[in-house]
Amino acid sequence: SAVISQKPSRDICQRGTSLTIQCQVDSQVTMMFWYRQQPGQSLTLIATANQGSEATYESGFVIDKFPISRPNLTFSTLTVSNMSPEDSSIYLCSVTPGVGPYEQYFGPGTRLTVT
Amino acid sequence: AQRVTQPEKLLSVFKGAPVELKCNYSYSGSPELFWYVQYSRQRLQLLLRHISRESIKGFTADLNKGETSFHLKKPFAQEEDSAMYYCALRANMNYGGSQGNLIFGKGTKLSVKP
Repeated sequence: SAVISQKPSRDICQRGTSLTIQCQVDSQVTMMFWYRQQPGQSLTLIATANQGSEATYESGFVIDKFPISRPNLTFSTLTVSNMSPEDSSIYLCSVTPGVGPYEQYFGPGTRLTVT
Repeated sequence: AQRVTQPEKLLSVFKGAPVELKCNYSYSGSPELFWYVQYSRQRLQLLLRHISRESIKGFTADLNKGETSFHLKKPFAQEEDSAMYYCALRANMNYGGSQGNLIFGKGTKLSVKP
């Protein structure tokens, strides 16, 4: 299993500013994912972050808006840049130990409100 | 396209009644399907996966490839089953998905009344 922590757990930010969310895992994992869950909506994948390579972004998400770092096998950050109220959401970090039929684990989420 | 559909946003049942949460999927190839649950103020966690063919907390789910469904069932609902339930499909890079990530349905909120 993998235990994931995220910082901050919640934040209220002003539009135009940026927030960096940290994801820490208690074990080395191959694949890390960042999801967004907007109010009343399902989880939407933002990007996949693998150590040693650039993050792969899903359609509708770009690196300039959501830069991601993955410096090692237990840590990643997601930055929400130049925020607007539409970015208000829960941001979730998720991991799998490897590629294949592994369970995917989720962090507790970061609740972001942009005013 | 790879897609998961949960037609019910909210399902309300009385304690002891049977419950079925519907999930349909669209996928090219052999799907890998999951049910995740999120209890109030807790993180999302795996409930069960189709390859395990197990029963967790009294819940079962059978993959029906003919109907492209993976409905979640429990014969007698309990109040502690009240939660948000998400059906998910593991994406396949060969069919336009990012390898390994999950594609989620919109979720069904299950409310079990006493």
